[in-house]
Amino acid sequence: LAKTTQPISMDSYEGQEVNITCSHNNIATNDYITWYQQFPSQGPRFIIQGYKTKVTNEVASLFIPADRKSSTLSLPRVSLSDTAVYYCLASNDYKLSFGAGTTVTVRA
Amino acid sequence: NAGVTQTPKFRVLKTGQSMTLLCAQDMNHEYMYWYRQDPGMGLRLIHYSVGEGTTAKGEVPDGYNVSRLKKQNFLLGLESAAPSQTSVYFCASSYSPSNEQYFGPGTRLTVT
Repeated sequence: LAKTTQPISMDSYEGQEVNITCSHNNIATNDYITWYQQFPSQGPRFIIQGYKTKVTNEVASLFIPADRKSSTLSLPRVSLSDTAVYYCLASNDYKLSFGAGTTVTVRA
Repeated sequence: NAGVTQTPKFRVLKTGQSMTLLCAQDMNHEYMYWYRQDPGMGLRLIHYSVGEGTTAKGEVPDGYNVSRLKKQNFLLGLESAAPSQTSVYFCASSYSPSNEQYFGPGTRLTVT
């Protein structure tokens, strides 16, 4: 499993864009990069997954440079309800390894 | 379509007692997982199953047993509970190894 490193916490304000960068220097060739979101007292929820370049869905974008040693999750125009812990994972199978994640706090 | 459900939601055990946590999914997923999450930490994989009748150890399997007699159910057992097993337990399922995992709401277990 590729070890990932991400900031412990980030603060933002409503309406701003939040970018969380994750480092995964020893990512394997067939690893995917996946991001999950977790609210207090709930199970994690899938946000987005990608292999390279850019992936966008209705809630986020994922940017992955050519060397794939890092990735950036972008949350456009955050609201108070986006306050959560965000986990970055690099894996090619079901053996996911969740680190401590990044606690994002959105303020009014 | 309920997704992934877990029973019970809360439980308090005394040291040495046993219990079983039930996870059920209605998405016809082959893969199912049990995680534990301790305060301020990420999830750690306890056991997983790649299909009915098969189980395997994850990162922290000691003190737990599992069974997958039916495709839709994955049971986690604690034979002799210890205070170190106080945690929140999450079950998850997925269609394939690299697909997104769907998580249940969790079971908060306290062992005194």
